Amino acid sequence: EDQVTQSPEALRLQEGESSSLNCSYTVSGLRGLFWYRQDPGKGPEFLFTLYSAGEEKEKERLKATLTKKESFLHITAPKPEDSATYLCAVGIIFGKGTRLHILP
Amino acid sequence: GAVVSQHPSWVICKSGTSVKIECRSLDFQATTMFWYRQFPKQSLMLMATSNEGSKATYEQGVEKDKFLINHASLTLSTLTVTSAHPEDSSFYICSAAKVAGVGDTQYFGPGTRLTVL
Repeated sequence: EDQVTQSPEALRLQEGESSSLNCSYTVSGLRGLFWYRQDPGKGPEFLFTLYSAGEEKEKERLKATLTKKESFLHITAPKPEDSATYLCAVGIIFGKGTRLHILP
Repeated sequence: GAVVSQHPSWVICKSGTSVKIECRSLDFQATTMFWYRQFPKQSLMLMATSNEGSKATYEQGVEKDKFLINHASLTLSTLTVTSAHPEDSSFYICSAAKVAGVGDTQYFGPGTRLTVL
């Protein structure tokens, strides 16, 4: 059964404190791993798509990487406005997300 | 680019009534549209996938007679919750993809909060 697992469930960081979010997956044939950001009461906002192991993508303070079994979303020197829930998806299967809270 | 709208953004209705939610891709043609529901602090659960001009494909456990989906054009899909009950209260989110299938990027609407009294 295809499965996407994200960890940690929640993460509190001080402003400027870098960290990584994990997304591990077991799927029968990867057709794209997606990262989204979701703010409370809103729809997910697309961040990255990764298709093959070794691929990396960056956007501002965020960097997504992909291996054969997992993906990481690295957040460098985060700011309070980076606080949100970050969702990982493989196709149409979503993980439960990581709730990130950046303290000023 | 790739903007998706939903209407209404929130709706309150009485038990037993039907509610229609619209999902529109504003600046691109969406070959495939998806409907999700999300409970508080939970992830998105796919309800159905629809391709323009075809019948929607429903996920296991989703009643197709209760959740009617119409993908009338390449820019519009509607979800009708028929005979709504309090347990149908949820956050409904649509997404649209430019290419058919599940490997393409999905662009999400802002969601519709449904409360059934």
